Amino acid sequence: AQTVTQSQPEMSVQEAETVTLSCTYDTSESDYYLFWYKQPPSRQMILVIRQEAYKQQNATENRFSVNFQKAAKSFSLKISDSQLGDAAMYFCAYAGNTPLVFGKGTRLSVIA
Amino acid sequence: DVKVTQSSRYLVKRTGEKVFLECVQDMDHENMFWYRQDPGLGLRLIYFSYDVKMKEKGDIPEGYSVSREKKERFSLILESASTNQTSMYLCASSLSMGQGGEKLFFGSGTQLSVL
Repeated sequence: AQTVTQSQPEMSVQEAETVTLSCTYDTSESDYYLFWYKQPPSRQMILVIRQEAYKQQNATENRFSVNFQKAAKSFSLKISDSQLGDAAMYFCAYAGNTPLVFGKGTRLSVIA
Repeated sequence: DVKVTQSSRYLVKRTGEKVFLECVQDMDHENMFWYRQDPGLGLRLIYFSYDVKMKEKGDIPEGYSVSREKKERFSLILESASTNQTSMYLCASSLSMGQGGEKLFFGSGTQLSVL
């Protein structure tokens, strides 16, 4: 079974600084997708970024980018120019031939 | 935009009660999911459905059942609620199971407390 590991339960970052959230996964599949979801205090899950495993190029969405290392099964999220609105729970997730599998989450605090 | 609506934002029930959590989506999605979210445990899949009247067990189905009589509605049922089922429940829908890379659309969650 696929597993997703987020080793940082909590992190903090100064406003305008850069922070990287870690995620590793385990799978025997060759074709899959990886996601980062954000859950602010409103509880609404928001898709931040998506990576297709067969694409070598790292996905980018404005201030959010990923470092996808397929051989190492690593999928970290970098948030640049952090803003107060980035404070939330962040979940890494894996999608292969089964429904989405989530990590345990990283709570990000942004310090003004 | 896809809308996934969960009928209650907060719910308080007694031990032993039968509890229904309702979820409705408005985008004709084939697939619907129920996840449970607990601090330090992330989101865990309870049940999912890929078609009307079809259901599949997820990772933690014990103590739960589901119903999907209409495509847009997916209900989670706690036959006899217990205190260890106190949790946040998230419903989601998608066009595919995930192998197509389709994103999940989530409801805003139901925080259930069983006393």
